[in-house]
Amino acid sequence: GAVVSQHPSRVICKSGTSVKIECRSLDFQATTMFWYRQFPKQSLMLMATSNEGSKATYEQGVEKDKFLINHASLTLSTLTVTSAHPEDSSFYICSAKQGARETQYFGPGTRLLVL
Amino acid sequence: GQNIDQPTEMTATEGAIVQINCTYQTSGFNGLFWYQQHAGEAPTFLSYNVLDGLEEKGRFSSFLSRSKGYSYLLLKELQMKDSASYLCAVVWADSWGKLQFGAGTQVVVTP
Repeated sequence: GAVVSQHPSRVICKSGTSVKIECRSLDFQATTMFWYRQFPKQSLMLMATSNEGSKATYEQGVEKDKFLINHASLTLSTLTVTSAHPEDSSFYICSAKQGARETQYFGPGTRLLVL
Repeated sequence: GQNIDQPTEMTATEGAIVQINCTYQTSGFNGLFWYQQHAGEAPTFLSYNVLDGLEEKGRFSSFLSRSKGYSYLLLKELQMKDSASYLCAVVWADSWGKLQFGAGTQVVVTP
């Protein structure tokens, strides 16, 4: 149980385009999903917290207009990187938790390369 | 956020034991996770400690002392596949379940 999927696993795009990443909880209802970014040889940095049916809460320094998050159902959250630039190239990972349970289960990650 | 400290790298031989320490500030502490992350992959859950003491799960054990702000992950009978980064992550009170990760400890297992 507690499987989280992400799609796509890898994406290459041109500078200025937008990229959408999907995060799905496959066998449980994820009341809360989290989006992280990880640069090479660094730890995970939380970008935003997404609760189903409400607006995402962004961490300090993360531009909400650039990283659009939608959590329309209990099994799906999406992250859209708008007008991507080379500095947005990174490993984006989502996680999901169920209700009051603390454990977060991570998706396999999406590697974004912006040329 | 508050500091979470763990060593950068540890090296051990196959079959040995390695202990990865993690220290954090005790104020507002709710619980502590350990995750394993192989290069290029997402983290996988290893353990979650809320109460003081040792929890054992096969070759991996995790210990917590809330009063000392200290946890460790113990890896026994090391295998080559255990070479990975081990992340300590703290849940703070009133953080709505958000995790704050340490920088990770890279464990290198040698033959």
